[in-house]
Amino acid sequence: EADIYQTPRYLVIGTGKKITLECSQTMGHDKMYWYQQDPGMELHLIHYSYGVNSTEKGDLSSESTVSRIRTEHFPLTLESARPSHTSQYLCASSEYRGQQETQYFGPGTRLLVL
Amino acid sequence: DQQVKQNSPSLSVQEGRISILNCDYTNSMFDYFLWYKKYPAEGPTFLISISSIKDKNEDGRFTVFLNKSAKHLSLHIVPSQPGDSAVYFCAASAGGSNYKLTFGKGTLLTVNP
Repeated sequence: EADIYQTPRYLVIGTGKKITLECSQTMGHDKMYWYQQDPGMELHLIHYSYGVNSTEKGDLSSESTVSRIRTEHFPLTLESARPSHTSQYLCASSEYRGQQETQYFGPGTRLLVL
Repeated sequence: DQQVKQNSPSLSVQEGRISILNCDYTNSMFDYFLWYKKYPAEGPTFLISISSIKDKNEDGRFTVFLNKSAKHLSLHIVPSQPGDSAVYFCAASAGGSNYKLTFGKGTLLTVNP
């Protein structure tokens, strides 16, 4: 199983601020993902990466951006936070189990934009 | 258009009894299914998975059943324990090189002592 770390766990910030949510994993997984989840709703994929220098947008449109300069690190940045960005952000990485990939999640960052 | 549906938002069972959580899907390309457990303010924890070549997979108290013809899967927890109280998400993947998970909205399971 993967060790996935996310910081901060909770963040309250004012509108217009730039924020970076950190995600790192120690298992050397190539594939990493960012999801957004609101209470009572499904997880929505907003970004993913298949390796260093690879980033793709997910199924849910997001104003955030990501980078993948190192295998273990996949930060997410919001240039100008807005109240509509309030949500829980979940990072994951994946490994093969048998012939299928399984994603493992970090503890998440709860973001509140005032 | 929800491709993975968990039609029961919540389920309440007594400790020691069986919990059955259901999940339906519409995309016939899905060939790998996973169940995750999530506590509030934490990330989902992987529980158990099943490939479409199987109809049952068991891991301790957790068993997942897959009915491909009905596009339905279920998670059985026996016996249920108060610590099992959490939101359970069903997820599915179409596999291949572009691996992405599609999640249901989750079912809140409450196990009463």
